[in-house]
Amino acid sequence: AQKITQTQPGMFVQEKEAVTLDCTYDTSDPSYGLFWYKQPSSGEMIFLIYQGSYDQQNATEGRYSLNFQKARKSANLVISASQLGDSAMYFCAMREGTMAGGTSYGKLTFGQGTILTVHP
Amino acid sequence: ETGVTQSPTHLIKTRGQQVTLRCSSQSGHNTVSWYQQALGQGPQFIFQYYREEENGRGNFPPRFSGLQFPNYSSELNVNALELDDSALYLCASSGRTSGGPYNEQFFGPGTRLTVL
Repeated sequence: AQKITQTQPGMFVQEKEAVTLDCTYDTSDPSYGLFWYKQPSSGEMIFLIYQGSYDQQNATEGRYSLNFQKARKSANLVISASQLGDSAMYFCAMREGTMAGGTSYGKLTFGQGTILTVHP
Repeated sequence: ETGVTQSPTHLIKTRGQQVTLRCSSQSGHNTVSWYQQALGQGPQFIFQYYREEENGRGNFPPRFSGLQFPNYSSELNVNALELDDSALYLCASSGRTSGGPYNEQFFGPGTRLTVL
């Protein structure tokens, strides 16, 4: 079974409008973290936002916010006021397990990604 | 802070050859992870190095191996290259030596490997 599912292969949005990119996940671990990354055509993965499973509030970072619905196992990314530079591939990823003191388990499981195109 | 760097940026090899890719972790990070990203796919976890030892591995054969050095930099070695090894190889660093937040996982620009 897919651990991370991104059901939108492609999305289009008008400049200055908001867009929501969907992500659902599957885990039985009570401790996990959810990440969103942006990958422009250059290939570099750019960290956008993080949500921990025990976080009480939805994460926000500037124009990015994460709509975290734990019971539904969804972690949708909301981009407000889209800009032309937001056009890229967007990946949702999950890290499972509790981090031991002083270590950070680097295994992220990624979804298939959503290509976002922002129109002027 | 110095970001994650990788070398080389591009590489062309032929089937059966061996390749070494390099990664310097972000300053203050002690853990390096490697990912393979085939065209049009999400990255797949290869393995992670912490304190110079491999401490997590994905579903990759033994011909994928690595090293981590005392300065936390890392190498990914692939032996007996196959056509399917053509991909973008991404390195990520995490785990602050100062014991800071666990949610950081920063990627380098990647090495694009083509196997002919």
